[in-house]
Amino acid sequence: GQQVMQIPQYQHVQEGEDFTTYCNSSTTLSNIQWYKQRPGGHPVFLIQLVKSGEVKKQKRLTFQFGEAKKNSSLHITATQTTDVGTYFCAGSNDYKLSFGAGTTVTVRA
Amino acid sequence: GAGVSQTPSNKVTEKGKYVELRCDPISGHTALYWYRQSLGQGPEFLIYFQGTGAADDSGLPNDRFFAVRPEGSVSTLKIQRTERGDSAVYLCASSRSARSKELFFGEGSRLTVL
Repeated sequence: GQQVMQIPQYQHVQEGEDFTTYCNSSTTLSNIQWYKQRPGGHPVFLIQLVKSGEVKKQKRLTFQFGEAKKNSSLHITATQTTDVGTYFCAGSNDYKLSFGAGTTVTVRA
Repeated sequence: GAGVSQTPSNKVTEKGKYVELRCDPISGHTALYWYRQSLGQGPEFLIYFQGTGAADDSGLPNDRFFAVRPEGSVSTLKIQRTERGDSAVYLCASSRSARSKELFFGEGSRLTVL
């Protein structure tokens, strides 16, 4: 079946610095979504990417879908303490989302 | 309510007991999903409902797990003869339709099997 892998598993970031987390699928995807889960919380939808090479921005967050539609990245600039949490990518070819294991982000003030 | 509601939020049970977890999706959402999340892992797909019928139950681990959605709204996940390995957070999510990919998750039901 479809597998989605994320790296790194943990990201420790100094406040104000940038970082990127990566997502790779074993198969071509029709779309990919990103979710954020705060500690003790539930996953919250951030964005969906559908087109090959698509790039979308949300304030300090930049999401990209690879040309082959098998990988994606999330880049955060000027990290803030509010960015703490686990970021999941989830790939889909139909109604079923397959989630990666997530990148857990901690921020040093 | 405004969001997906799940009850109970916490359930502690003994090995071998029967458990029911309830999900009340966002009003008007036709698609409903159950996922299971273990510590340090991403949500793992269990079952998907479109309306009243289970369109895909391929993620249910074995026949001890069963879910229903009799009126196309509230869903119940049922676990028989619970085992310690069933301990996890069970997440319910709904979406406007199967074509609307954004999932709205509930807070989850944390199940602990002693």
